[in-house]
Amino acid sequence: EAGVAQSPRYKIIEKRQSVAFWCNPISGHATLYWYQQILGQGPKLLIQFQNNGVVDDSQLPKDRFSAERLKGVDSTLKIQPAKLEDSAVYLCASSLDWGYYEQYFGPGTRLTVT
Amino acid sequence: AQTVTQSQPEMSVQEAETVTLSCTYDTSESDYYLFWYKQPPSRQMILVIRQEAYKQQNATENRFSVNFQKAAKSFSLKISDSQLGDAAMYFCAYRSARGGADGLTFGKGTHLIIQP
Repeated sequence: EAGVAQSPRYKIIEKRQSVAFWCNPISGHATLYWYQQILGQGPKLLIQFQNNGVVDDSQLPKDRFSAERLKGVDSTLKIQPAKLEDSAVYLCASSLDWGYYEQYFGPGTRLTVT
Repeated sequence: AQTVTQSQPEMSVQEAETVTLSCTYDTSESDYYLFWYKQPPSRQMILVIRQEAYKQQNATENRFSVNFQKAAKSFSLKISDSQLGDAAMYFCAYRSARGGADGLTFGKGTHLIIQP
């Protein structure tokens, strides 16, 4: 079974530029999560999708971050404009459904904002 | 809001020895899940072990076991017969059992070093 795929693996941009990250969850997984992991900290949930609907985006900085999950499969997370403090690893995870099921994580995208 | 605290930024253990990683959490909920995740230097997060709060019996997965103290809100991970491959960051995480929003809340992590 293929795991959660993310691209790109690394991205370097200047502040005020925009950037987008892509996630392809495990086939058949209804729930998709985006986490932000700043160096030296644990991941923090940004947004949770159930199929193509948003379940929780309470910690998403909506003035600059946006995310979508078209057709309930792939997802894209965008930052516009980027700030220095957005430098982090962005992790995508998916699970069969919400609740009991295990979350499977992708390898992450390391973003550096200069 | 729930919080997870890992008070040990770094732990070191000799190969083949036993090590215990500590985790405490704060919640007002009665039903939830607790997890330990391992994040090797390659960065992919892997589930190590899971505990359902309604279960009194401590979870065990091969060399990994937990000590779950619900009243004390404590959830420690014991690794027996430590191996070089166990070296990684270990994160304790909380997940609500409510319907809907169930993203993980993580602690800051413990860096585990295995001395050969």
